[in-house]
Amino acid sequence: GAVVSQHPSWVICKSGTSVKIECRSLDFQATTMFWYRQFPKQSLMLMATSNEGSKATYEQGVEKDKFLINHASLTLSTLTVTSAHPEDSSFYICSARRGGGGSYNEQFFGPGTRLTVL
Amino acid sequence: DAKTTQPPSMDCAEGRAANLPCNHSTISGNEYVYWYRQIHSQGPQYIIHGLKNNETNEMASLIITEDRKSSTLILPHATLRDTAVYYCIVRGPGNKLVFGAGTILRVKS
Repeated sequence: GAVVSQHPSWVICKSGTSVKIECRSLDFQATTMFWYRQFPKQSLMLMATSNEGSKATYEQGVEKDKFLINHASLTLSTLTVTSAHPEDSSFYICSARRGGGGSYNEQFFGPGTRLTVL
Repeated sequence: DAKTTQPPSMDCAEGRAANLPCNHSTISGNEYVYWYRQIHSQGPQYIIHGLKNNETNEMASLIITEDRKSSTLILPHATLRDTAVYYCIVRGPGNKLVFGAGTILRVKS
């Protein structure tokens, strides 16, 4: 299957700082990328959907000014957690979908980034 | 997209088939059934998907009932490494993958 990478795999930062997480599709072009967040013992929660070259669409309750998403190319999307606080500590997972989003386009997930805010 | 219902947990003996059920009684005609799994502290892994017909790949088989209101994921010979949370998701073309609670499958030796 297709490979999606994330960097870093884990990060610890101080409260008030910003953290950038990169998501790359390594062997395919992803017109659409997704960002999820997962708290311990909970399911994945979709945060936002981004299409290459356009602004991200955020799910209800997700602050777009806090979670900045940039999908500058067909293989790279970044999530920046601005002014991070301890409650932002979570497992952030990106996902990339090939092609135009038709029924047969599987969605592939990255390995996740563990963010801990002190 | 249609909602799915899965049992919260299941146990399976190593080497036996694991049959994971999923109800999606409100599924509409153009919605696919997808299965993903998540091993602890990793990103979800795609397993299989289908529309109406049964599907099989190197990982699993997907059996969809004729009325499409339910499906079963079959892992033919479960191993300890198959212990994970399994998610059944119904998605329309071009729509987002929305995860429910899933089923925790514990494979025991």
